[in-house]
Formats: sequence, C-alpha cells, structure tokens
Amino acid sequence: EAGVVQSPRYKIIEKKQPVAFWCNPISGHNTLYWYRQNLGQGPELLIRYENEEAVDDSQLPKDRFSAERLKGVDSTLKIQPAELGDSAVYLCASSFVAGPSYEQYFGPGTRLTVT
Amino acid sequence: AQSVTQLGSHVSVSEGALVLLRCNYSSSVPPYLFWYVQYPNQGLQLLLKYTTGATLVKGINGFEAEFKKSETSFHLTKPSAHMSDAAEYFCAVSDPRGNNDMRFGAGTRLTVKP
Repeated sequence: EAGVVQSPRYKIIEKKQPVAFWCNPISGHNTLYWYRQNLGQGPELLIRYENEEAVDDSQLPKDRFSAERLKGVDSTLKIQPAELGDSAVYLCASSFVAGPSYEQYFGPGTRLTVT
Repeated sequence: AQSVTQLGSHVSVSEGALVLLRCNYSSSVPPYLFWYVQYPNQGLQLLLKYTTGATLVKGINGFEAEFKKSETSFHLTKPSAHMSDAAEYFCAVSDPRGNNDMRFGAGTRLTVKP
C-alpha cells in the first residue's frame, strides 16, 4: 500500500514569493491534515479536511495561507506571499475517518526555506 | 486545553542500555495518548497509543509505555537500545470526544552510542 505522498520534498524561495505544496493521501482515507513543524518543535495542526470540506482551519493564517482539497482526494497548501518565519517542514497526514481511534499516517514532509 | 510536556530535548544512551523518554500530559478529561517516531527526512510513524483498557501498552520495535493517571505521565521505555533507535520521538495527546486533533510535545532526540 502506498503511503502519503508529498511534493516537493525541499523548496527554497525568497521572501514575498508564492509557494505551493501538494499532498496525495492514502487511497480511501477521507480525512486529510496539514501540519507545520518548526525547527525543534512538534507538529502543529494547520487545517483538517473531511472529504472536500475544511472542518477545522482555526490555526491557518488566512491572510497568506490557503488550502484546497478538490474532489476530496489530493490537497494543495499555498503561501502567498511567504515570510521568513514560514521556514518550516510542512507535513501532510491522512486517516480513514476523523476520530481519535483512527491512526494518522504522515507523509515525509516538504522542507521550506525562505531567504 | 490539552498539552504534553516532554522532559529532556536530548537523551543519550549506550547501545544495550535502557531507553526512558518522559512525557507528562495535561487534560481535563481522560486522554488518548500517543508516541510517534521520526527518522531524519521522514514523516512521523506511530509507535504506540493508549486509548482505554490496559495501562501498559506495547508498540513496535520493542517499545512500550505505561499510562499513569496519578502521575499524569506516559513515559516511553525500551529495555535495550539499538543503534537503529536513534531518532526524534514525539508524545501527543488527543481528546477522545474530539476528531483526532492531536497536540504534540516538542520532541526528544535520542542518540545511541556504540
């Protein structure tokens, strides 16, 4: 079974530039999560999708961040414009359904460096 | 609000020695608790989780953790460290009434010396 796929794995951009990250969850998983992991810290949830609906985006900085999950499968997270403080690893995870008894499977992440 | 605190950002043990990684939680309700491992340039992998029932939980790679309500702890142990155990370990907590939104600790980096 293929795991969660993310691309690109690494991205270096200058501040004020836009950037997008892509995630393909495990087949059949209807819940998708985007996390941000700052250096030396644990992941922090940015947004959770159930199918194509964003059911929890309270931690997403909406002035510059946006996300979409068309057709309830793949998802894209965008930052425009990027700031120096956005340098982090962006992790995507998926689970069969939302609920604490269901394991979240994580992708390898996209490491973003903003210069 | 729920939270976890991992005591010690870095732990170093010799190969074959006991591994003990500490995690204390704060929760207003009986929580679900998790330990994840992250190898360099990889995503997080679930080691084990506590939901209900037996308080001693066994996971993959020989790790286990014990839920101690009186101490609000969920420490991770392994009797004998292997070189391959070197990684970052994260403790996390979630609300059983919620939708699996986990709160992670800051992580503990485990180094295993030959």
